[in-house]
Amino acid sequence: EPEVTQTPSHQVTQMGQEVILRCVPISNHLYFYWYRQILGQKVEFLVSFYNNEISEKSEIFDDQFSVERPDGSNFTLKIRSTKLEDSAMYFCASSVERGPPYEQYFGPGTRLTVT
Amino acid sequence: AQTVTQSQPEMSVQEAETVTLSCTYDTSENNYYLFWYKQPPSRQMILVIRQEAYKQQNATENRFSVNFQKAAKSFSLKISDSQLGDTAMYFCAFYNNNDMRFGAGTRLTVKP
Repeated sequence: EPEVTQTPSHQVTQMGQEVILRCVPISNHLYFYWYRQILGQKVEFLVSFYNNEISEKSEIFDDQFSVERPDGSNFTLKIRSTKLEDSAMYFCASSVERGPPYEQYFGPGTRLTVT
Repeated sequence: AQTVTQSQPEMSVQEAETVTLSCTYDTSENNYYLFWYKQPPSRQMILVIRQEAYKQQNATENRFSVNFQKAAKSFSLKISDSQLGDTAMYFCAFYNNNDMRFGAGTRLTVKP
């Protein structure tokens, strides 16, 4: 069964450094999403992406964040200058169409630790 | 803004027993979707069950069923014949107009 993959599974970085989290969505999916889950807290929506542009973003997704689909298969989340509070699990998801009944398929997540 | 509340941070159940996880939400919308996601220790979020708000019939997927009370804005998940593999975090989620909101989660432990 096709699945969303994410790399790396765990990334440790120093405060102020740039990080790029990578996701490979399911191949026929057109809508892509990033979510964040701070340890022990709920999953929070960051951004959705369609047709090579951002379609929705939350208040969390500030100028430090950017997303890109550089090559037609990867979908990346970049954090320009990481802060301690960026430490979290980051989940990528994709769906074939926007919204239900089309399910969002989640990747296994990347644990980002900012020291 | 839509909010989703899960009032039970942790629950436990004996294997083969039935457990109900609670979820309430707040919205002024009439058409929306509700979901329960399971997040096992592997941390991958898996869709368990979905409910369309315009459908009065409660959704059922094998051992998982929901009690959807639209007027009360309540969406509880019932797990029958609990199995050890059901041990996970369970998140209730609300979706409307490309806006997905999650509850804080309930950690369910199934005991042998």
